[in-house]
Amino acid sequence: GAGVSQSPSNKVTEKGKDVELRCDPISGHTALYWYRQSLGQGLEFLIYFQGNSAPDKSGLPSDRFSAERTGGSVSTLTIQRTQQEDSAVYLCASSWLPQGGELFFGEGSRLTVL
Amino acid sequence: QQQVKQSPQSLIVQKGGISIINCAYENTAFDYFPWYQQFPGKGPALLIAIRPDVSEKKEGRFTISFNKSAKQFSLHIMDSQPGDSATYFCAASGGGSNYKLTFGKGTLLTVNP
Repeated sequence: GAGVSQSPSNKVTEKGKDVELRCDPISGHTALYWYRQSLGQGLEFLIYFQGNSAPDKSGLPSDRFSAERTGGSVSTLTIQRTQQEDSAVYLCASSWLPQGGELFFGEGSRLTVL
Repeated sequence: QQQVKQSPQSLIVQKGGISIINCAYENTAFDYFPWYQQFPGKGPALLIAIRPDVSEKKEGRFTISFNKSAKQFSLHIMDSQPGDSATYFCAASGGGSNYKLTFGKGTLLTVNP
């Protein structure tokens, strides 16, 4: 595809369930990021991948959050035992420049935890 | 710790007016300052960016002004149009974490026709 693709676009789940969010970055982009966007809170950094490795996981809010990237391409963000405070839009971005380059964002996955 | 502070939270401007959004940063290692524009239901997209070797950068109706000594930078939108109505985020990166953009909390701009 031409841009960053995320799925699902919307996910409603019950508290305590696990969810998986998928990101398909722009082909050839080695850097991949997950951000979380909550109302009035801006964009909160979660994790950064360079290739398949994640040198910076410092933004993951708790050990219920994990992410992986395979084949230097698709990434999955997993949230276990979801809580209501996890409700947000989860944005994925990719870049061909790991330092100071333009980030290309997907349209996000809106997660609602009931 | 909020490393990039953005104001105002919301802004209403009449068509043809000037929109001004301000950001302040704390980390003196930051050396890349982009602005992103986000329309409802879409992801943010890069609008314009500046590095500290210049004090101003202009692209069409959009201008970034940068004040290194004050650790502040701002976005000016000249001749604002209803199509400019969106949320604008300032951001910064640099130093040992130069791969990571730290974003402000955003400004919701409404341009009335």
